Amino acid sequence: DTEVTQTPKHLVMGMTNKKSLKCEQHMGHRAMYWYKQKAKKPPELMFVYSYEKLSINESVPSRFSPECPNSSLLNLHLHALQPEDSALYLCASSLTPGTSGFGSGELFFGEGSRLTVL
Amino acid sequence: AQSVTQLDSHVSVSEGTPVLLRCNYSSSYSPSLFWYVQHPNKGLQLLLKYTSAATLVKGINGFEAEFKKSETSFHLTKPSAHMSDAAEYFCVVSADSGYSTLTFGKGTMLLVS
Repeated sequence: DTEVTQTPKHLVMGMTNKKSLKCEQHMGHRAMYWYKQKAKKPPELMFVYSYEKLSINESVPSRFSPECPNSSLLNLHLHALQPEDSALYLCASSLTPGTSGFGSGELFFGEGSRLTVL
Repeated sequence: AQSVTQLDSHVSVSEGTPVLLRCNYSSSYSPSLFWYVQHPNKGLQLLLKYTSAATLVKGINGFEAEFKKSETSFHLTKPSAHMSDAAEYFCVVSADSGYSTLTFGKGTMLLVS
């Protein structure tokens, strides 16, 4: 199994709603990532989890709250979002969080959750 | 610090003709370099990677790239384009500094007619 599975594929929410995006991988990867991608732009890193602990938060607003319940799952909780938060949210995983050694730096991406905030 | 410059925002080719997508990088460390492809409304898929082994790297779907340290380049090529190659391509650098995140180029849209 070399897949990263994201649900839901599409989500529409109002600015007062609370919703969650989910990501799952069963490759034994110990690093998991959330990226935000706007149209015609490269992905922008939001969060990195390393061995289930949050290791990088790229100054993301608190209305985005990540959670890593176990080594296979990654959630992104959404609350009080703004219309400018509408984007494709990509989850990725890698064998290790470092950049040396086999598999270093190679990310496996899910297909994304397309979020629309009204 | 590290950076990536993709020299073309769009490249148009005819089916059956060669593809060249250009990428230059800057890194303080020995870099790992990657090309990812993203088809419309899809996630990113790794095409190939350079991690200080052979300088000519072969990837999936007939793509290859050559690491040229003297030119700080990692251009992506394919001898013959196929319609299914139409997608966004990202050149990515990862510095070998013990722990790092990836730096993405701005992307090159490949159009195949």
